[in-house]
Amino acid sequence: GDSVTQMEGPVTLSEEAFLTINCTYTATGYPSLFWYVQYPGEGLQLLLKATKADDKGSNKGFEATYRKETTSFHLEKGSVQVSDSAVYFCALSGQAGTALIFGKGTTLSVSS
Amino acid sequence: GEEVAQTPKHLVRGEGQKAKLYCAPIKGHSYVFWYQQVLKNEFKFLISFQNENVFDETGMPKERFSAKCLPNSPCSLEIQATKLEDSAVYFCASSQYETQYFGPGTRLLVL
Repeated sequence: GDSVTQMEGPVTLSEEAFLTINCTYTATGYPSLFWYVQYPGEGLQLLLKATKADDKGSNKGFEATYRKETTSFHLEKGSVQVSDSAVYFCALSGQAGTALIFGKGTTLSVSS
Repeated sequence: GEEVAQTPKHLVRGEGQKAKLYCAPIKGHSYVFWYQQVLKNEFKFLISFQNENVFDETGMPKERFSAKCLPNSPCSLEIQATKLEDSAVYFCASSQYETQYFGPGTRLLVL
């Protein structure tokens, strides 16, 4: 079945450091790919998405490119802030109405 | 509305009691999903609806869990005879196409 693998955390960075969180997937067909973020005590917020190969999703300085050849959707940010401290989830879905398949989440902690 | 709304925010039940959670999807979204977040980061899909019809219930523990989405009413997830292992955060999400938008969750504690 479909699956998502993302790097285990926690990831600890200093403010203004470069961030990469790796995410790879296994899927039949052509899934849509997502990054969601969960701040402490809150729900899931959609961070960015890409619906087809070579698409780049971006939001709030974060970027991820849908790479079909490497089945990857790595999350990057050039300069992290303390406020980016959260748990980041990579996910995929097929057609509308189908369940999201989540990775196990990566905890990011940014210190000043 | 513009956001998925979930009530209550917190719910405490004694083992064996009933728990009922509610979800109002974003207006115009046809699909509603329920997920259970346990062990801090792990998400388990429970059930999805397309309008008032069950779309996918492969994750639903049918013995004690039930869910409905009726016209002009919030969707609901009900747990009969709660067990300690039902303690989790329950998230509702809605979508029109492939992108799902999540509510703030209901934290259920079973004592």
